[in-house]
Amino acid sequence: DSGVTQTPKHLITATGQRVTLRCSPRSGDLSVYWYQQSLDQGLQFLIHYYNGEERAKGNILERFSAQQFPDLHSELNLSSLELGDSALYFCASSNPGGIRTDTQYFGPGTRLTVL
Amino acid sequence: AQTVTQSQPEMSVQEAETVTLSCTYDTSESNYYLFWYKQPPSRQMILVIRQEAYKQQNATENRFSVNFQKAAKSFSLKISDSQLGDTAMYFCAFFHQGGSEKLVFGKGMKLTVNP
Repeated sequence: DSGVTQTPKHLITATGQRVTLRCSPRSGDLSVYWYQQSLDQGLQFLIHYYNGEERAKGNILERFSAQQFPDLHSELNLSSLELGDSALYFCASSNPGGIRTDTQYFGPGTRLTVL
Repeated sequence: AQTVTQSQPEMSVQEAETVTLSCTYDTSESNYYLFWYKQPPSRQMILVIRQEAYKQQNATENRFSVNFQKAAKSFSLKISDSQLGDTAMYFCAFFHQGGSEKLVFGKGMKLTVNP
């Protein structure tokens, strides 16, 4: 158990809908990262938040957005869903300023299926 | 931009034997870290081992060790005394400290340990 939690584990929805994925980082970790794992694209970085502020964006679609709250949990919002958005979405956390600031620990992921 | 290449998509090994997974990367940065993550059928991303680029000594974690060749930009993972529980996808990943601080992953390699 990495200490990172993600909910829900599975999500099935229809095209055009909007969903929210939630992540709680390890205790004390200030950084949260979101990654998408799909069969054709592999593991892709989406976005990084540090202590509530956006630090970096990767291949994140405009239909997707994220935020990190004062209690450090993060949410990834996916809207106008398309079939191609079906994937495993991972959250990871790390502790900049702590020991091994470079190391990211992953949550169990949320499996999103768009029908 | 950094790239990570895992050229072997799949390997198999007999239980108790040793296997080596290869990874090469491309970067112009000097301050970086390399990782191997394991993804078993449960789909959880599990950190296997970490290597700091400025350290010449190869990292070791129990049955897992790396052969880090900085000049050749090579980072292979050796698994000794393979166990059935080692069956998983293995991903090599690159992290640049002070850059976007995202993990850049290879496409992964499927390892099967046979009894």
